[in-house]
Amino acid sequence: GQNIDQPTEMTATEGAIVQINCTYQTSGFNGLFWYQQHAGEAPTFLSYNVLDGLEEKGRFSSFLSRSKGYSYLLLKELQMKDSASYLCAVRGVIKAAGNKLTFGGGTRVLVKP
Amino acid sequence: GAVVSQHPSRVICKSGTSVKIECRSLDFQATTMFWYRQFPKQSLMLMATSNEGSKATYEQGVEKDKFLINHASLTLSTLTVTSAHPEDSSFYICSARLGELGDTQYFGPGTRLTVL
Repeated sequence: GQNIDQPTEMTATEGAIVQINCTYQTSGFNGLFWYQQHAGEAPTFLSYNVLDGLEEKGRFSSFLSRSKGYSYLLLKELQMKDSASYLCAVRGVIKAAGNKLTFGGGTRVLVKP
Repeated sequence: GAVVSQHPSRVICKSGTSVKIECRSLDFQATTMFWYRQFPKQSLMLMATSNEGSKATYEQGVEKDKFLINHASLTLSTLTVTSAHPEDSSFYICSARLGELGDTQYFGPGTRLTVL
């Protein structure tokens, strides 16, 4: 099975940096995704890590350590529009799980002026 | 590219009726689509995997006779909630996989179902 943990809520100030951690214990691993979800809307894709290391995309970066079962999403230069839930999702081993994603509970980030 | 649409975006129905939700991949063909359910302040829970031309694969605890899935073409999957009850009220979201097994899932905008 899959068990994915991330903090429930985080608060940060506009212009600051916030790091959202995600730890996972899975029976198989074939990639980790981060999605952003605004209230009442569907998730939008932010990043994907399958190898160890840091992936950078503009203000957002994501890091993965497979040996530690650990990832983080780093949001820099926070803007008010970044207030949203951030979902960590792990993809299972293809044959056994058919490319299924298992989502963590999501981290609600509140950006304050 | 990789746009997924859902219809309707919002539906209110009486208890006991059936509701059909459509999921379409607009600019790509999706051999596999996924259906999720999300209750307020909770994360997405996978309900079933929809495969074009074959039966859907349901997750444990999801009643296949209550949540009927049809994936009739490479761009359309439908979820029918049969004999809906208030506890079925939720946010239903579909996603489609772009390309081969290793590719990212792209999500539709979701359907808010309220059963009175």
